[in-house]
Amino acid sequence: TQLLEQSPQFLSIQEGENLTVYCNSSSVFSSLQWYRQEPGEGPVLLVTVVTGGEVKKLKRLTFQFGDARKDSSLHITAAQPGDTGLYLCRGNTGKLIFGQGTTLQVKP
Amino acid sequence: DVKVTQSSRYLVKRTGEKVFLECVQDMDHENMFWYRQDPGLGLRLIYFSYDVKMKEKGDIPEGYSVSREKKERFSLILESASTNQTSMYLCASSRTGGMNQPQHFGDGTRLSIL
Repeated sequence: TQLLEQSPQFLSIQEGENLTVYCNSSSVFSSLQWYRQEPGEGPVLLVTVVTGGEVKKLKRLTFQFGDARKDSSLHITAAQPGDTGLYLCRGNTGKLIFGQGTTLQVKP
Repeated sequence: DVKVTQSSRYLVKRTGEKVFLECVQDMDHENMFWYRQDPGLGLRLIYFSYDVKMKEKGDIPEGYSVSREKKERFSLILESASTNQTSMYLCASSRTGGMNQPQHFGDGTRLSIL
């Protein structure tokens, strides 16, 4: 069974702190996407990474795809309460697989 | 903006009932998907469809069926609801063009089976 492991599962931090969440697998992905799901809503796509070593930035969010395309990270700088939500990674191995998610709570 | 609309936000049904969950998208997307979302398990694919009247099983199709009679509408059917089907159900759509196409999700239906 192909698995995408996300860590940590839960993260509660104060506004202004930095954080990193991880998405790891033993499988090689041709691409990987990150989604954010706010309470009461469906997931929304943040970014797609395709090339090993690729780094993409979206305001205070930095996404990196591992060189071997088996892992990815999402770094948030100076977190804000509006960043609160469930962060999901989705990998493409020819089959689409979602990780179990990281629940982030940013306290004011 | 793409809009994916799920017919109910909350639904309570009884064991053994036949349950229909409806999903409509307004962007002429070819692909549509049904997932269930449970704490600690992420999103698990139940069924997907890449064209009208076409359907493919996902990872957990047992106890479910689907119908796609029109391009914009994809229905999930619980033939005989059971308590272990209590969950959040998410519908998504995407256009054809490879698996990197973004999926656009509805806001979910929280289904409780009593």
